[in-house]
Amino acid sequence: DIQMTQSPSSLSASVGDRVTITCRASQSISTWLAWYQQKPGKAPKVVIYLASSLESGVPSRFSGSGSGTEFTLTISSLQPDDSGTYYCQHYNGYSGFTFGPGTRVHVK
Amino acid sequence: QITLKESGPTLVKPTQTLTLTCSFSGFSLSTSGVGVGWIRQPPGKALECLALIYWDDDKRYSPSLNNRLTITKDTSKNQVVLTMSNMAPVDTATYYCAHAPRMPRGGTQGGYYYYYMDVWGEGTTVTVSS
Repeated sequence: DIQMTQSPSSLSASVGDRVTITCRASQSISTWLAWYQQKPGKAPKVVIYLASSLESGVPSRFSGSGSGTEFTLTISSLQPDDSGTYYCQHYNGYSGFTFGPGTRVHVK
Repeated sequence: QITLKESGPTLVKPTQTLTLTCSFSGFSLSTSGVGVGWIRQPPGKALECLALIYWDDDKRYSPSLNNRLTITKDTSKNQVVLTMSNMAPVDTATYYCAHAPRMPRGGTQGGYYYYYMDVWGEGTTVTVSS
């Protein structure tokens, strides 16, 4: 089975900062990766799919990149509403969906 | 507009079987390229995908929970049902269902297309306790 890891596990940054979260897969997954934002007590919302495609309605300050085993989610100018936990997710046709452990983002 | 809503018991006893229903609107699970997944999240922990059912009745299960899970669909009722047997306190969690569309422009791997979860239900909390 493919394992997903994320780094850092948590971060604290100021409004306007550029923030990058990394997700790594234990083997190559091409660009079959999505990113989700989850706020406390709420369901996750998709931010990025296919590694770099911005979901409709998501602010353009979010971007995704990467392929193979290493991926990044970047927030170009962090806003107060961006606080929450971010999860990467891989889809595999044989086994379904696998989530990473999450990265908690705190906005100072 | 796609919406999903989870329903089921809020409290189950250890060893009991949990049955959760995902009722949805705005799409049909008989349409090619559509799936519905169940995901859970224990308090303070990460998301875990439990099961996935596709429009053609193909199914995927979490390897660690495979022998406890059953996912079915009722296309006429627009519902997906998940059963989990032999519940234990560690299964206490919020359970979500989500719509999963196929994305052909992602190409194929091993003959499969790419899917992701674009719309989620609000979740339902299940506590396992005697």
